[in-house]
Amino acid sequence: DVKVTQSSRYLVKRTGEKVFLECVQDMDHENMFWYRQDPGLGLRLIYFSYDVKMKEKGDIPEGYSVSREKKERFSLILESASTNQTSMYLCASSPQEGTEAFFGQGTRLTVV
Amino acid sequence: AQSVTQLDSQVPVFEEAPVELRCNYSSSVSVYLFWYVQYPNQGLQLLLKYLSGSTLVKGINGFEAEFNKSQTSFHLRKPSVHISDTAEYFCAVRRVTGFQKLVFGTGTRLLVSP
Repeated sequence: DVKVTQSSRYLVKRTGEKVFLECVQDMDHENMFWYRQDPGLGLRLIYFSYDVKMKEKGDIPEGYSVSREKKERFSLILESASTNQTSMYLCASSPQEGTEAFFGQGTRLTVV
Repeated sequence: AQSVTQLDSQVPVFEEAPVELRCNYSSSVSVYLFWYVQYPNQGLQLLLKYLSGSTLVKGINGFEAEFNKSQTSFHLRKPSVHISDTAEYFCAVRRVTGFQKLVFGTGTRLLVSP
């Protein structure tokens, strides 16, 4: 089974803190994604990576950055957390030639 | 660009009744279509997908969906729902070629009551 693992299920951080959300996949997938999920808005793409050290901005990259130093790991970084970044964050991966994306369990981040 | 519309934010239904969750999409290029389910406090799980071929697609847990190109729809159906089907359902599209970004609808919450 494909497994996408997010390091934390729940996280509470203070405004202004630097926050790291980690995601690891075990199926040697080339593509990895970070989505943000908010009620009434569905899932919106923050960043996408199609190879090690490669990244592309999604629809809502402002206030976020990413890092992909190893193929299996894709990190989302909130440089200075703000209350409007309180949300559910979902990581996903997919093979280059495949069609399906596999999702992690999500990290519910609260910024206070 | 692609977009997905799920007009029903919430669908209440009684156990053992049939249900249809609606999805319409817009795209100027060929797309693949997906339905994902999200149970409370969990990630997304693929229910079914349409890539090509037969327009009626069967998925897990007794769900099926029909691709209608002329109406740009991909509605999800189940003939008889269970309490355990209570979840949020997301319709998504992805370009057949190029950037593999999934574009999601806003989701439909299915509430099954006894």
